[in-house]
Formats: sequence, structure tokens, C-alpha cells
Amino acid sequence: NAGVTQTPKFRILKIGQSMTLQCTQDMNHNYMYWYRQDPGMGLKLIYYSVGAGITDKGEVPNGYNVSRSTTEDFPLRLELAAPSQTSVYFCASSYAYIGAGGETQYFGPGTRLLVL
Amino acid sequence: KNEVEQSPQNLTAQEGEFITINCSYSVGISALHWLQQHPGGGIVSLFMLSSGKKKHGRLIATINIQEKHSSLHITASHPRDSAVYICAVLPRLQGAQKLVFGQGTRLTINP
Repeated sequence: NAGVTQTPKFRILKIGQSMTLQCTQDMNHNYMYWYRQDPGMGLKLIYYSVGAGITDKGEVPNGYNVSRSTTEDFPLRLELAAPSQTSVYFCASSYAYIGAGGETQYFGPGTRLLVL
Repeated sequence: KNEVEQSPQNLTAQEGEFITINCSYSVGISALHWLQQHPGGGIVSLFMLSSGKKKHGRLIATINIQEKHSSLHITASHPRDSAVYICAVLPRLQGAQKLVFGQGTRLTINP
């Protein structure tokens, strides 16, 4: 199993451009998550999904969109990129609920995004 | 004040030392996660706790729900343990999937 894969690894965008960060998992996990990690800051949840066709906002959803048409894929769309979106983006997945008695998360390798 | 506070922010130790990293949180939680972020950036989940203590190899994680505090211990530390260790909590009131993360503790083990 490849686990959680993310593409691209690194991207430079100009202000106002758009792009899609790809995330795929081959573990048949129901739950998928997008986080961003800013320098010196903790990870923050952008969006998450509990199954195909179901998505919900996290802590910092503004400027992003997601879709979940299949169990495997959870792309993150940036519209009108801004310098504040410069960050490292991590996708993660889990088979089930990550609370007590539940599952841990598996993380992708991250996408480093620079918006100039 | 952050909901999740870790201490210390940075820790440097010699190989073989016993390491303790602390995590305090201010809200009621369903679970607490410890994660490790390698120097290359990859993140691995180490433990999920809702009570008591868990052990995996040289790593031990404990949680005291009443005191809202967790510790991660590393016995017989090794340079390969050098990483950022991240504490994250799942608040009971905020919805099932919204982890809140600490800023991380950067650990450096010198040979």
C-alpha cells in the first residue's frame, strides 16, 4: 500500500492564480482531512470528510474548497491564491472516528505552497 | 491563550537521557493524540489516549484527565528520536473530527 499520497510536493503560485492539491489514499479509509501548517504554528484543520459525498468545514476554511466524489480522493482547491495561503498542506486519513476507542490518523508527505 | 500548550518548546539532550515532553489543555476532551514530525516534514501518529498510559517500545504516553495534562516520555533516547513532537486534542464539544494541535516540541538528541 502507498498509504496517503499528495501531489505536487512543491508549488509556487502567483497571487490570484488557482490550483488543486491532490490527495489519494489506498487504505479504504472513510475519513479524510486537510490541514495547513504555518511556520512556528500548530496544524490547523481546513476541511474534512467522513465519507464520499460528505464534507464539512474545519477551523480555517476560507479561501478553500473541497470535494469527495470517491472514497480514495479528497482534492483541495485554492481559488484566487493569496500570500496568506503560503503554508505546508497535509492530507490525512483514518478508517474511523479519531476519538476515544477509535483510530489514529495517517498523514501524507505534505505539499509546500508558496504564493508570491 | 492557546487551548493546547506544550513545554518545553525546544529540548536538547544527550543520547541515553530520559526525555519528558508535556502537554496541557484547557477544554474537556474525548481523546488526545501524540504525533511525531520528522526533520523531513513527514508526520506519524504515535499514540491516541483517552485515559491512563500507553507504551510502544521506548515511548510512553500518559494522561491525567482531571488535571488536563499529558506527558510523552522517551527512555534511552537516541539521535534518531530527534523530531518535533506534537500534542493534539479532540475537544468534546467541537464536533467529532476537529483536532486542536499544540505548537510542537522540537527535540534534538546529540550523540
